[in-house]
Amino acid sequence: KAGVTQTPRYLIKTRGQQVTLSCSPISGHRSVSWYQQTPGQGLQFLFEYFSETQRNKGNFPGRFSGRQFSNSRSEMNVSTLELGDSALYLCASSLGRGQETQYFGPGTRLLVL
Amino acid sequence: SQELEQSPQSLIVQEGKNLTINCTSSKTLYGLYWYKQKYGEGLIFLMMLQKGGEEKSHEKITAKLDEKKQQSSLHITASQPSHAGIYLCGADLNTGNQFYFGTGTSLTVIP
Repeated sequence: KAGVTQTPRYLIKTRGQQVTLSCSPISGHRSVSWYQQTPGQGLQFLFEYFSETQRNKGNFPGRFSGRQFSNSRSEMNVSTLELGDSALYLCASSLGRGQETQYFGPGTRLLVL
Repeated sequence: SQELEQSPQSLIVQEGKNLTINCTSSKTLYGLYWYKQKYGEGLIFLMMLQKGGEEKSHEKITAKLDEKKQQSSLHITASQPSHAGIYLCGADLNTGNQFYFGTGTSLTVIP
């Protein structure tokens, strides 16, 4: 089976712009979670989507949003970018039945100038 | 504050040496996952521990879960340069809304 894929791998944006990141889960996985990783805060949970619905949400401002499509692919959007949004954004997929392993993509590195 | 604390924060060992990484939770553990990350890349799943006292091994890596102590340890025997990377523990702390990761342990293995 193909692993989790994320596009693009690298992105440079300027403050105030918005960005959309994409994640394709492992075939058959219905849950997609997004994480932000920074040197200062480590790996932090953004949100989880299951069957096109947001099931869980972390403590991030409303500028961070996401959606999931019927084929389980997911997108994450960040509006009005700030310098502090520079990070590695990781998505992970799982079957979505709870207490199970999440498999991660290679990440999208976002740099905000 | 971090729900999952790892120690040590970083580790530099000579190839062939054994080492242990600890992960301590501030809440009851309902399963604990170990991942490895190469710098700037995605996480690679290593092991999942579900029950207190459970111990799993894969190649030269062994992980144990002590539910009473709300702690897990990852032990690497006869370390190799290929073991280098960042080790992260992760858990669903049954808070109902999110999955937590530890603070991470950076491992360097000197040939």
